[in-house]
Amino acid sequence: AQKITQTQPGMFVQEKEAVTLDCTYDTSDPSYGLFWYKQPSSGEMIFLIYQGSYDQQNATEGRYSLNFQKARKSANLVISASQLGDSAMYFCAMRDGTGRRALTFGSGTRLQVQP
Amino acid sequence: NAGVTQTPKFQVLKTGQSMTLQCAQDMNHNSMYWYRQDPGMGLRLIYYSASEGTTDKGEVPNGYNVSRLNKREFSLRLESAAPSQTSVYFCASSPGVLAGPSSYNEQFFGPGTRLTVL
Repeated sequence: AQKITQTQPGMFVQEKEAVTLDCTYDTSDPSYGLFWYKQPSSGEMIFLIYQGSYDQQNATEGRYSLNFQKARKSANLVISASQLGDSAMYFCAMRDGTGRRALTFGSGTRLQVQP
Repeated sequence: NAGVTQTPKFQVLKTGQSMTLQCAQDMNHNSMYWYRQDPGMGLRLIYYSASEGTTDKGEVPNGYNVSRLNKREFSLRLESAAPSQTSVYFCASSPGVLAGPSSYNEQFFGPGTRLTVL
């Protein structure tokens, strides 16, 4: 069975600083994908970044980057130059390598950006 | 291009009532999913449909049924609602495995339905 663990229920960061949100995972599938989603207070799920298990380089998307350490089974999200609009819940999720392709989510980290 | 749409946005039911949550996508995706999100938790898979005409159980299927009406639509039915089913329900779609192994299969989510069962 797959499992995603996010050990930080809440994080604070000052505006313009960088912040790292932790995510560890467990799976026996050799092929998998890791996703980060943002959920603002309005409730929608916003895709941020993706890392495939066979990708050689860490994924980046604008101010978001993923620190992927396969041997340690970690996929931490780094947000650079935090903005007030980054305040939200952040979920790490893993897609299984089977035909189901569903996502297993962690419990989330609530990030609050302070001015 | 609406993406994934869900109706209704909000619903209040009494214990024992039934209802159907509707979901539609216009991205020609093969796979569709229903998740629930309880307070302070991540999303959990209720049912999924890998392709038109197929459905299968996820992690928390008890108390629910689904119908993949066609490629666009995937509905979730609560036959006899219980307070434990109070949650936010998200529908999602993705290209699915039929799109090929190189597709990373980002899931696109609908806006959610907030359901309260009294």
